[in-house]
Amino acid sequence: KNQVEQSPQSLIILEGKNCTLQCNYTVSPFSNLRWYKQDTGRGPVSLTIMTFSENTKSNGRYTATLDADTKQSSLHITASQLSDSASYICVVSAPGGYNKLIFGAGTRLAVHP
Amino acid sequence: DSGVTQTPKHLITATGQRVTLRCSPRSGDLSVYWYQQSLDQGLQFLIQYYNGEERAKGNILERFSAQQFPDLHSELNLSSLELGDSALYFCASSATSGFTDTQYFGPGTRLTVL
Repeated sequence: KNQVEQSPQSLIILEGKNCTLQCNYTVSPFSNLRWYKQDTGRGPVSLTIMTFSENTKSNGRYTATLDADTKQSSLHITASQLSDSASYICVVSAPGGYNKLIFGAGTRLAVHP
Repeated sequence: DSGVTQTPKHLITATGQRVTLRCSPRSGDLSVYWYQQSLDQGLQFLIQYYNGEERAKGNILERFSAQQFPDLHSELNLSSLELGDSALYFCASSATSGFTDTQYFGPGTRLTVL
């Protein structure tokens, strides 16, 4: 069964520190992997999209990595800011279209001053 | 601000009723997507339209239907509402129907079914 598991479920860090969020998936075959940031009560914002041939992609202080062999992805946040407090959702897709999207449950990050 | 607008922001209705959610995509975007986000099921893809035509269908119930109009705005119709339909409904848009296009999400419509 195609699944996406994210860890940890929640995380608290101090402002200025780095952190790494994990996404493990069993989706096969694999087409692409997306990371979204979602502030409470607001729409998700796309951070990165990676295909199977890409292993790193950055968006400002956010860097996503992908290991298609081990079916693992991570999202690294550098020099965290209070505005990074949000849920981070990993979405993995099999080939064939948007009806093949598998969503992770998300990691809730809280950045404290 | 993503450039995607959704109305209404909040909607409270009773079981058995029918509602319509509206979405205007970013200027120039041809694809519109609908998602449902509930507390117990997380984010789920419902349906995609591209330039007026249905492109992909996800976990959309038969009681739900959607369409995209010639001016590219889209409507999601929910009928025979049940308590379990209470959720946030997001619309997103992208420039094309490409599978790696960046999607821009609207602020959502919060539906409460009493």
